[in-house]
Formats: sequence, structure tokens, C-alpha cells
Amino acid sequence: DGGITQSPKYLFRKEGQNVTLSCEQNLNHDAMYWYRQDPGQGLRLIYYSQIVNDFQKGDIAEGYSVSREKKESFPLTVTSAQKNPTAFYLCASSLIRSGANVLTFGAGSRLTVL
Amino acid sequence: QKEVEQNSGPLSVPEGAIASLNCTYSDRGSQSFFWYRQYSGKSPELIMSIYSNGDKEDGRFTAQLNKASQYVSLLIRDSQPSDSATYLCAAQRGSGNTGKLIFGQGTTLQVKP
Repeated sequence: DGGITQSPKYLFRKEGQNVTLSCEQNLNHDAMYWYRQDPGQGLRLIYYSQIVNDFQKGDIAEGYSVSREKKESFPLTVTSAQKNPTAFYLCASSLIRSGANVLTFGAGSRLTVL
Repeated sequence: QKEVEQNSGPLSVPEGAIASLNCTYSDRGSQSFFWYRQYSGKSPELIMSIYSNGDKEDGRFTAQLNKASQYVSLLIRDSQPSDSATYLCAAQRGSGNTGKLIFGQGTTLQVKP
């Protein structure tokens, strides 16, 4: 089945630690995205990538880093510089084509800082 | 002003009624609009997209777009308890197929049996 796989589903981190969230897609999509969702809030864009070896900051990139070494993979690292990292993290991908940018989401990773 | 705004609700409707969800956006350059449904603890799933002024119907769902008023709505006819979820409105920032999606905060819908 084609889709987006995020891991781990749940993650606990101590303050001061970096953690990396995995996102893999087998949809052959060009673009990949990371969003953050806080309780009762919508999705806020962290980083996105439209092509391998290239990525751009979204609206809340501070304290996060990404890489796009393969088309299928777009891992997100939450660094110790992120002041309030506890949130639900969603990875998405889209096939860049004429018209609109339709996103497909992974199941999400819930990060809790202890 | 948020770029995409929704009333967070909750919006409560009886089973079988029409649920009306509303969204406004501030970027006049936005060309494409989407409604995603998100069940608690789950990821969003696309239920409707709309690109032109007017109505677009898909089963029990109708999306409405008014670019002059910068307003998007979603109507759910014959609401069912299974429709109870948070509905996220998204606008594609800028034109072209690579524009980023900006989401509203979501409206929680409760359909009561």
C-alpha cells in the first residue's frame, strides 16, 4: 500500500536532548512537509522540501532542522533550542502538478518533553 | 489577523441536520482551498477541494467559495454522528502548484444522535 510512514508514534524526551522524527513515503511524491499541531490549534508549517537536497523554512522553523537526501525520506530533528517542543508532528507529501497542491498526511508523531 | 480564520466551536447539530462550517482568508492571492477532517488523535484527511467561485458538491458535502468576500464554507447535509470531528480549512498561499498550505485553527463539529 502506498502511503506515508512516520515513526515513532509516541516519543518522550528529556529537556536538552535532540530527537529525530522519521518520515518515509512511497507515493513517489516530489514535495514533503513537516507541520506542528498544538491542542486546539491548526497546523503550522515547520519546513518543506520540493526537491532532493533542497528545503525551505516554514513559519516556525526555529529550533528544528531537516534533511532531504532521498526523495522518499524527510526526517525532522527537534533540537534542544526548541523552547516548547511538546506537540503533535505531522509529515505530509504532495505530487507537484499543475493546479493545486493536495497534501497526503502520515499518522503523526506525538512528542512529549519530560 | 490570522491568515486563515475559523470559528473553533464546538458547533453542535442534531443528527440529520445540515452543518455549516465557515472560513475566511486574508491573502487575496490564494487560489486553492481545501477542507480536511481530523478525528481526535488522528491525522487530517482531505474531504473537499475547491478552486473556482461557486459551489462544489460531493455526496453529502458541498464546498462554497466566494473570492470577492474571501470566504469558504463547507456544508454537511444529513449530518451523522460519524461526522463528529475537527474540520480544518486550508488556503494555498500564492498561485501555482507549489504554494504552501496555510491552515486555520479548525472547527470542532459535534453531531448528536
